[in-house]
Amino acid sequence: GENVEQHPSTLSVQEGDSAVIKCTYSDSASNYFPWYKQELGKGPQLIIDIRSNVGEKKDQRIAVTLNKTAKHFSLHITETQPEDSAVYFCAASRTGGFKTIFGAGTRLFVKA
Amino acid sequence: DADVTQTPRNRITKTGKRIMLECSQTKGHDRMYWYRQDPGLGLRLIYYSFDVKDINKGEISDGYSVSRQAQAKFSLSLESAIPNQTALYFCATSDWRSDYEQYFGPGTRLTVT
Repeated sequence: GENVEQHPSTLSVQEGDSAVIKCTYSDSASNYFPWYKQELGKGPQLIIDIRSNVGEKKDQRIAVTLNKTAKHFSLHITETQPEDSAVYFCAASRTGGFKTIFGAGTRLFVKA
Repeated sequence: DADVTQTPRNRITKTGKRIMLECSQTKGHDRMYWYRQDPGLGLRLIYYSFDVKDINKGEISDGYSVSRQAQAKFSLSLESAIPNQTALYFCATSDWRSDYEQYFGPGTRLTVT
């Protein structure tokens, strides 16, 4: 079946450094790529997304890049802060939320 | 108040028991989902519903059933709970006009002993 691979599973960085999380998807029909942040005791929350007709998208300290040819997409967080510590999930979707496939998650630790 | 609520937040039950997890939303969305989260496996779709009369199986529906009582309510049942159904369960919603983006509830931690 279709899947999304996410790496690394755990990432530890110093406050102020950058963090990069990478995902690879298998379904070539995927056209929407969201990233979710899950804080302890809470449900996942959408932080940024990108559609297949765009190669890069930025929102303040967060950016996402997409390489459709290679079926890769990545999340970049710059100037990390302790409050960025959480589990991050990438996902790939066809038209419609019911076809969303999630990666296994990356636990990010930002050390002060 | 939270837009998507789940009850209970935590539940411990015994093997063979029937249990129901409930989800309510005030976002006015037509589409609702139940996911299961296990460590190292991400989120996997159990069931989804596009409206009150539409229920569909997801990736891992065996051992589960659902009921869409109203547009705002979607419940998940485990007819006879087993230990490997111990997991974190999330309800989510989306709107047909912006169907990609899903809004998640806070989750229910279920333990089956």
